[in-house]
Formats: sequence, structure tokens, C-alpha cells
Amino acid sequence: DVKVTQSSRYLVKRTGEKVFLECVQDMDHENMFWYRQDPGLGLRLIYFSYDVKMKEKGDIPEGYSVSREKKERFSLILESASTNQTSMYLCASSFVGWDRDRNNYGYTFGSGTRLTVV
Amino acid sequence: EDKVVQSPLSLVVHEGDTVTLNCSYEVTNFRSLLWYKQEKKAPTFLFMLTSSGIEKKSGRLSSILDKKELFSILNITATQTGDSAVYLCAVKEYGNKLVFGAGTILRVKS
Repeated sequence: DVKVTQSSRYLVKRTGEKVFLECVQDMDHENMFWYRQDPGLGLRLIYFSYDVKMKEKGDIPEGYSVSREKKERFSLILESASTNQTSMYLCASSFVGWDRDRNNYGYTFGSGTRLTVV
Repeated sequence: EDKVVQSPLSLVVHEGDTVTLNCSYEVTNFRSLLWYKQEKKAPTFLFMLTSSGIEKKSGRLSSILDKKELFSILNITATQTGDSAVYLCAVKEYGNKLVFGAGTILRVKS
């Protein structure tokens, strides 16, 4: 079965630490996304990438950066973690176009990383 | 600003009840609307709707889109405790991004 794998399920970091969240997909998808999910706010897009070394800001990029050196891997970086970045982080990937077999765009999510910054 | 609004934010029902979840949207370049079910981990895909008035069904779940009034509903009949989850509505615009609503938390009591 196709997969999006996030490296950590739970993470606890201290304020000011540099944090790396890793995401790997095995579906040869062009697009990859990082969202954060907070109660009452739904999923909000942080950054996305539509090709290797390409990235675009989402709705809430402040305090984050990303890296996509290989097609299958998309990393989210918190340069200096703060308590307001405590959240659930979800990675997703998708095709550029329509996936006839799935009858959708093939959006697939990882299981999420629950990050707590203390 | 593009937005997707879901209602109710949460509800509690008893097994066997029928529930209707609502999703309204205001986006600039609508392409499709998607429903996801999220239990304790990754959201899983339920439906994608692109045309008005065409109901999509999968077992006890069904969904329909109204592009004139800019909303969609997700119906679940004969609810079971396994239906307890967060139901997410998202709109895909031209391009590659999804805009999500806040979700509806459904709890089905036995």
C-alpha cells in the first residue's frame, strides 16, 4: 500500500531548539505539503513543494522553513522552536493531476507528528 | 480570503441515528470539494465532489454538492461507534492546495 511516513509520532523539544520534521513518500508524487492542525482551526498549510528544490509559502509560513532535496523527502524545519508551535504536524503528498484509479488527486496524509515545545 | 466553514463543530449522537454534516465555502477558483475522516492519525479520503447535484455514496455515507449555494453535506445513516471521528471538508482550487475547514467532531454513543 502507498505510504507517507513521518519520522516521529511524538516529539518534545525545548524552546529555542532547532527542530527537524521529516516526511517520506513512496508514491512518486510531485507535490508535498506540510500542515499544522490545531483544535478549532482545522488544517492550515505551512509550506508546499511541487518539485525538487521548489517550495512555496502556504498560509502560515512564519517561523518555519522547508527543504526538498529529493523527490520523496520533504523536511519541515523550525529554526528556533517556540511554545506556540506546539501542534500536530501533518505531511501530505499528491499527484499534480487526476488519479483515475483513485478517482481523486491522490492526496495521501502521513500519520502526523505531535510536537510539544516546552 | 478563501475559507471553508464546517458545522456543527461537534455533535454527540446515539448509535442508529442519522447525522448531517455541513460544509460551506468561499473560494476564488473552485475545482472540487473533498471529505476526509480522521480518527487518531492520518485523514483518510471519503469523497470528492466536482459537480452539483450528483450524490456520491459509499455504504452508509453519502455526500452531495451544491455549487450554486456553495455548500456540501455529508450524511451518515445508521451511525455506529466506529463512525466516531473528526470529519474534514476541504476545497481544492486550481493549483495544488487544499483549503480545509475546522472539522466536525462526531461522537457516536452506544
